[in-house]
Amino acid sequence: QVQLQESGPGLVKPSETLSLTCTVSGGSISSYYWSWIRQPAGKGLEWIGRIYTSGSTNYNPSLKSRVTMSVDTSKNQFSLKLSSVTAADTAVYYCARDLSGYGDYDIWGQGTLVTVSS
Amino acid sequence: EIVLTQSPATLSLSPGERATLSCRASQSVSSYLAWYQQKPGQAPRLLIYDASNRATGIPARFSGSGSGTDFTLTISSLEPEDFAVYYCQQRSNWPPVVTFGQGTKVEIK
Repeated sequence: QVQLQESGPGLVKPSETLSLTCTVSGGSISSYYWSWIRQPAGKGLEWIGRIYTSGSTNYNPSLKSRVTMSVDTSKNQFSLKLSSVTAADTAVYYCARDLSGYGDYDIWGQGTLVTVSS
Repeated sequence: EIVLTQSPATLSLSPGERATLSCRASQSVSSYLAWYQQKPGQAPRLLIYDASNRATGIPARFSGSGSGTDFTLTISSLEPEDFAVYYCQQRSNWPPVVTFGQGTKVEIK
């Protein structure tokens, strides 16, 4: 079955760029929307944005100026870059598959904790 | 941006009881409403999509209803493994932005 795995640094310095990659295994990355969602400790879920396998993207307006997503279909991976991070960006970051294109996230990665600290 | 408001914040119930969770949208989301369950240290799990359709492998005790701005997740008889936090989520058509409710914690009474 399809599985997702996030990877990237667990510690990022303030003002630097957070970079994460999600690897899709057990199936093809093609023909789906893929999203990044984050969750600060003890808080709710925040949608960061989504990318289609064509490279088309949509971002959360509150983060749009700092977010870049990309996809590499040859590697079955998609990625997130979040620039100019602050402590407020400390969270567990999840990648997820959008089953329908309407935000029905049926497969999630286990999540990776990213801490922003000097 | 469409805001989702969940109520109550916490629901204290005993195993075997019925749980009714509410999600209200600040404007109509048609039927583009999903529900997720999240347990500590785990990723969310999709329970319901399109307001009333159970996701694959979800037990029949979970049901969703509603359309427009008012939605309900019902757990007909709580099992011990159902005590968790539940989130509703919508995606607006244009711009395509996803938002989540703030969550309802179902705890053991």
